[in-house]
Amino acid sequence: NAGVMQNPRHLVRRRGQEARLRCSPMKGHSHVYWYRQLPEEGLKFMVYLQKENIIDESGMPKERFSAEFPKEGPSILRIQQVVRGDSAAYFCASSPLQGTQYFGPGTRLTVL
Amino acid sequence: SQQGEEDPQALSIQEGENATMNCSYKTSINNLQWYRQNSGRGLVHLILIRSNEREKHSGRLRVTLDTSKKSSSLLITASRAADTASYFCATARGETSGSRLTFGEGTQLTVNP
Repeated sequence: NAGVMQNPRHLVRRRGQEARLRCSPMKGHSHVYWYRQLPEEGLKFMVYLQKENIIDESGMPKERFSAEFPKEGPSILRIQQVVRGDSAAYFCASSPLQGTQYFGPGTRLTVL
Repeated sequence: SQQGEEDPQALSIQEGENATMNCSYKTSINNLQWYRQNSGRGLVHLILIRSNEREKHSGRLRVTLDTSKKSSSLLITASRAADTASYFCATARGETSGSRLTFGEGTQLTVNP
């Protein structure tokens, strides 16, 4: 049973470009969470999704950030017009209906 | 200050010693979880303790929860160099998986061989 998969593991973008981060949850998990971790800090919640629905996006910036979890395929976190302050590690977690959240290895975004 | 604060921020011990890390939080919770993160890697779930539990064990790990003081501790016994990592507590307010985790800033543990 493969764990949560994220790709790419490392992503470098120039200011103003778009970043797309993908997350494939564990088999059987229908709940996906995205968190962001700045250097030397803990993880901060961004958004919680179920298939085709955004349940809680209270931690996600209103502008430039969007997330989706389509019926088929991975969950996508999209950051438009990236700025240097977006440089961070972005972690995805998945869980079954109830239970522990299992984290992926993260995508490390560097904005030049 | 934010929910889920760990102390100490950094802890350095010798192999074989015990390591104790503490976590405090502010709001009511359904459960509290501890995670480990090796440098530059993802998070590994260690243990979950529910609000109606006071103590839980898993191998060399012992977690306590005091809801009256809104605090938890993680004890790692007989530490090994491989235990070197950052340790985070995370609180969840709901029972179902639709419950965001609120993480602390972490404790950096270094176990010297």
